Amino acid sequence: RKEVEQDPGPFNVPEGATVAFNCTYSNSASQSFFWYRQDCRKEPKLLMSVYSSGNEDGRFTAQLNRASQYISLLIRDSKLSDSATYLCVVRAGGFKTIFGAGTRLFVKA
Amino acid sequence: EPEVTQTPSHQVTQMGQEVILRCVPISNHLYFYWYRQILGQKVEFLVSFYNNEISEKSEIFDDQFSVERPDGSNFTLKIRSTKLEDSAMYFCASSEGGRRPNSPLHFGNGTRLTVT
Repeated sequence: RKEVEQDPGPFNVPEGATVAFNCTYSNSASQSFFWYRQDCRKEPKLLMSVYSSGNEDGRFTAQLNRASQYISLLIRDSKLSDSATYLCVVRAGGFKTIFGAGTRLFVKA
Repeated sequence: EPEVTQTPSHQVTQMGQEVILRCVPISNHLYFYWYRQILGQKVEFLVSFYNNEISEKSEIFDDQFSVERPDGSNFTLKIRSTKLEDSAMYFCASSEGGRRPNSPLHFGNGTRLTVT
């Protein structure tokens, strides 16, 4: 089983749509969870940390289910500028922070 | 906002040559990392560095690779004898640590390494 596994993409959605990304992780001792976005040929940029109680930042909502080892990201009211690759990132304890392969999102006008 | 800086942005080298990739992490951060991303593939962990020593490394980080913090600001990745398959984007990252052990990573813009 992969350490961090994400939905295969790409997702093609119209502007204004709601889209959800899922991620599972294999190490039950994992302690920290993040969503990053990556634009083509650019560095990953932090979108949001994911907290146990779930958290929201504007149009973005992240959820964590430790029992199922599952993380999700919901984007509401998609914008053209949301088009990017979304990376699920897990720190398993210690210093090793592992990236999922990413899910590509295309938002169309 | 403070940022991680990397130089050069693009490095072209011949197979078998040594390269050094440079990074200046955010000044109050305690943990430093190198990642690589081969074109079209995922971001892969190479190594983490804390308190002037390697704290963890992946199977990719073999004897051809080394890291160093030669002074109070720079953090370098050296590849001793480059191979064609080392061609990739190399990202440096840092995180706060200390009182925020679960703080996120902040990435530099990356160095695109092309081995010919």
